[in-house]
Amino acid sequence: EVQLVQSGAEVKKPGESLKISCKGSGYSFTSYWIGWVRQMPGKGLEWMGIIYPGDSESRYSPSFQGQVTISADKSISTAYLQWSSLKASDTAMYYCARGGGSPNRGFDSWGQGTLVTVSS
Amino acid sequence: DIQMTQSPSTLSASVGDRVTITCRASQSISSWLAWYQQKPGKAPKLLIYKASSLESGVPSRFSGSGSGTEFTLTISSLQPDDFATYYCQQYNSYLWTFGQGTKVEIK
Repeated sequence: EVQLVQSGAEVKKPGESLKISCKGSGYSFTSYWIGWVRQMPGKGLEWMGIIYPGDSESRYSPSFQGQVTISADKSISTAYLQWSSLKASDTAMYYCARGGGSPNRGFDSWGQGTLVTVSS
Repeated sequence: DIQMTQSPSTLSASVGDRVTITCRASQSISSWLAWYQQKPGKAPKLLIYKASSLESGVPSRFSGSGSGTEFTLTISSLQPDDFATYYCQQYNSYLWTFGQGTKVEIK
């Protein structure tokens, strides 16, 4: 069974750094993309970027380029989303999702989400 | 970037109704379009991929059609479990994008 398990909820102050994780299991982690999706309170889904753990190629939405870093450690089948300096506007639910495959089905499996709250 | 525009933003319908949601791309995406269902407090769930292919386990009352720039998601007979928000997503380009969502409410 394909599973993506995300790290737990975080409460941070503005200016702090943060790294959240997404661990894949039940499939070949290096053969699929892992994407990150933001959902601000009461709002829609926003595609942030994706990484291919097989070769670490990453792509970012222009809206998030330079604001976050996406990485992956294929030795432990885990992808990461990190911030160097959080803002209150980063408060949101963040989902990871598996993408690609053949045929490409978009995001066919999702993590449970990590709630990030940034408040002074 | 490719922009995805869904309509309507909100839809009020009754159990048993036929429901159609439209998604338009700002440029051709061939058939590289997915539809997702999201319920409050839950992660999205893939319903349709490659514009018209039904994901395993998804009820057959859901169907998708279209290619190029115009796509539709149809629910043939709305069930109580279908009241949710639906999103389209293109994955044709180097960067993928979501539509803004369509909330299906009880009439």
